[in-house]
Amino acid sequence: GAVVSQHPSRVICKSGTSVKIECRSLDFQATTMFWYRQFPKQSLMLMATSNEGSKATYEQGVEKDKFLINHASLTLSTLTVTSAHPEDSSFYICSARTQPGYGYTFGSGTRLTVV
Amino acid sequence: GIQVEQSPPDLILQEGANSTLRCNFSDSVNNLQWFHQNPWGQLINLFYIPSGTKQNGRLSATTVATERYSLLYISSSQTTDSGVYFCAVEEPGNEKLTFGTGTRLTIIP
Repeated sequence: GAVVSQHPSRVICKSGTSVKIECRSLDFQATTMFWYRQFPKQSLMLMATSNEGSKATYEQGVEKDKFLINHASLTLSTLTVTSAHPEDSSFYICSARTQPGYGYTFGSGTRLTVV
Repeated sequence: GIQVEQSPPDLILQEGANSTLRCNFSDSVNNLQWFHQNPWGQLINLFYIPSGTKQNGRLSATTVATERYSLLYISSSQTTDSGVYFCAVEEPGNEKLTFGTGTRLTIIP
């Protein structure tokens, strides 16, 4: 079945630094990938839709200059949290699907802690 | 946007018990999936079920799209079933998933 790989699984960084998270579709090509954020004991909220070869689409309230998304190939999307602050500490998870009409597969997630 | 509510929010059961989790959604959907989020955060896809009934071992799910709800049944619960169960829906013409509020299931030995 479809596999989505996400790295790193856990990262701790200092306030003011940037962190890059990678999301790869291992056995299929994904023109669209999705980035979600989950705060403790809450549901998943979509942050942005990553489109291969074009700009990402951000959900209302998500700062596009803070959460940079790059989808340079059909198998890789990256999320960079720039100038991270403690309030950015969260669980970030990506997803993709092989084609419309099929279910979505999720990566294993990245737990970001900003100190 | 579409609203997705799950009930109950929390459920504590003895090992071996059966349970029913419910997902209500406020509008028509193209896609509905049930996920189990394990303690490490991994989302495990249980069912892709925009309509009808499916079964996989001790788990089964039913979606009644016309009445805008889905049910997840877990039989003979095991401690490994503990975790948070989410349903997520995709609206027509809108390629993204909206997650429900989740049900936290705790199975006691």
